[in-house]
Formats: sequence, C-alpha cells, structure tokens
Amino acid sequence: EDQVTQSPEALRLQEGESSSLNCSYTVSGLRGLFWYRQDPGKGPEFLFTLYSAGEEKEKERLKATLTKKESFLHITAPKPEDSATYLCAVQAQGGSEKLVFGKGTKLTVNP
Amino acid sequence: DAGITQSPRHKVTETGTPVTLRCHQTENHRYMYWYRQDPGHGLRLIHYSYGVKDTDKGEVSDGYSVSRSKTEDFLLTLESATSSQTSVYFCAIASTIGYNEQFFGPGTRLTVL
Repeated sequence: EDQVTQSPEALRLQEGESSSLNCSYTVSGLRGLFWYRQDPGKGPEFLFTLYSAGEEKEKERLKATLTKKESFLHITAPKPEDSATYLCAVQAQGGSEKLVFGKGTKLTVNP
Repeated sequence: DAGITQSPRHKVTETGTPVTLRCHQTENHRYMYWYRQDPGHGLRLIHYSYGVKDTDKGEVSDGYSVSRSKTEDFLLTLESATSSQTSVYFCAIASTIGYNEQFFGPGTRLTVL
C-alpha cells in the first residue's frame, strides 16, 4: 500500500529563519511526487512535481528535492505570507492518475 | 487559477437526506476527482473519473456515488447522509497532457446534523 508521511506536523519559524519540511514515502514505483500549499478555507494550490531522484525544483523562497525514499521542501528566509499547510502527495506507476496524500505540515512564520 | 467551481460552497443538512455536490470545469480536462479532507486524515480520494461515464472508486467510496454525463461536470451524491460524512469536499481536475498535476477547486463544507 502506498503511504506518505510528513514531518513535522507543525513548525513555527521566525521571519528569515530557514528550515526544511520532510515527506517520506513508500510506493510501488514512483511516477511523480507533488507538493501543494493550502491556505485556511481554500483548496490546495499546486507548487511542484518531481519525477526522479536527484531532481530539484525552485519557486521564490521554496526549493523541493527528491531522493528514492523522501522529499524535502526547503524554505529559505521565510516571510509571514509563507504561512500555510504544505501537502505532499505521490502518484504510483500504473496509469490511474490517483494521488496519495500525506497529512501535511502546518507552517507558521512569525514577523 | 484553474477553471474549477464547486457548488454549493456550504451546506447544512440532516441525517438521512440525499445530497448532491457539483463540480464544474472549463478546462476540458479528462480526469476529475472527488476528495474529502478531515482533521487527522488529510485528503482522501472518494471517486474519480477518467472520461464521460467512466468512473472508479477511491479509498473511501462507501456511501457515495458519482456521475459524469458531460466532460465539464462531475457530481458527487450522498444517497443518505450520515454525520460521519461531515467534511470538506474538494474536486480536482487533471490533464493527460504534461505532468498530470491535479488542480483543486475551492471546496464545499458539508455539515450533516
């Protein structure tokens, strides 16, 4: 069974204090790993897709990396507007296009 | 933003009543999904569709049915709502072109009393 575990569940940072969120996964053949951002009361917003170990993607203060067992979302010099819940999901090979989500990491950045 | 709307956005209903949630897209994407999101569980797939009249079950499909008679509309029906179906429901769409990212709608908050 495909599984995704995100840690920590919650993270508080001061503005400018860099850190990383972890997403570890077990899947029978990884087709893709996805990162989303979710603000309270809204739907998840797509951030990145990673496909193979060693791949990296960047967007503003966020950088996502992928190994064979886990992915990291690095946040450099965060700002209060980066506060949100970050979701990780995996898609297995096999063609159904289904995603399995982790429970998320709630990030709070204090000014 | 991806062209996805969900209706209603909020609904309060009573146990035992039927409820239908609607997802409408303007992107002409092939794949559509229904998820529910609950504290402590994250997003869980209820049903999905890979084309008109082609649907399949997800992880938590018991008590739910779906229909897709047009590319742009995907309906989720609770035949007889129960309190355990109180949740936030999200619709998502994905294209077969590119990287198959799923794009989510704004959600429907359903309360079953």
